[in-house]
Amino acid sequence: DTAVSQTPKYLVTQMGNDKSIKCEQNLGHDTMYWYKQDSKKFLKIMFSYNNKELIINETVPNRFSPKSPDKAHLNLHINSLELGDSAVYFCASSQDSTSGEETQYFGPGTRLLVL
Amino acid sequence: AQSVSQHNHHVILSEAASLELGCNYSYGGTVNLFWYVQYPGQHLQLLLKYFSGDPLVKGIKGFEAEFIKSKFSFNLRKPSVQWSDTAEYFCAVNAEASKIIFGSGTRLSIRP
Repeated sequence: DTAVSQTPKYLVTQMGNDKSIKCEQNLGHDTMYWYKQDSKKFLKIMFSYNNKELIINETVPNRFSPKSPDKAHLNLHINSLELGDSAVYFCASSQDSTSGEETQYFGPGTRLLVL
Repeated sequence: AQSVSQHNHHVILSEAASLELGCNYSYGGTVNLFWYVQYPGQHLQLLLKYFSGDPLVKGIKGFEAEFIKSKFSFNLRKPSVQWSDTAEYFCAVNAEASKIIFGSGTRLSIRP
């Protein structure tokens, strides 16, 4: 069983398009995250949701909008895609976010290429 | 602001060599520390973590890390590396609930 799954694995699209990436976790965790990993492998948090509520929103352009229909899902919608959005996007989840001790479990990543 | 520094961007070793990857963080309070590994084409996996107690932490696959509070360091070590250890290694710090700051990663290449 895949603990944290993301779809699609690869996404190639034109500038200006709108696209979504889906994430699902079957671990029963309360908190989910989106990270962006750039071409230099630098990994940066974008958003964090706890029980469907947004708790972290780093300085991400408002073209990026996370949506959490329930605590097992956190989807990422991107409007008006730009070349600089090309990266690998990782979803992650953890049991609880309040203690800071929780291990995060990562999905396989979605490789986005904007042409 | 919190930050994590991994000064070694790319480390190349021969099999059976000993490994030490540096990690320094900047935060004056209590921190939780992690090392994650990303094998080629795969997602990040936890190697080990430190929250409290014994500053020498044992992880999976023979890795260990030592938390030295006075040096703000959490270096990763392995006495004898294998070709299968080829991967990207990320140090991470959690000083605020739900927010992990990752270092820029160290690419480890092992020569067979």
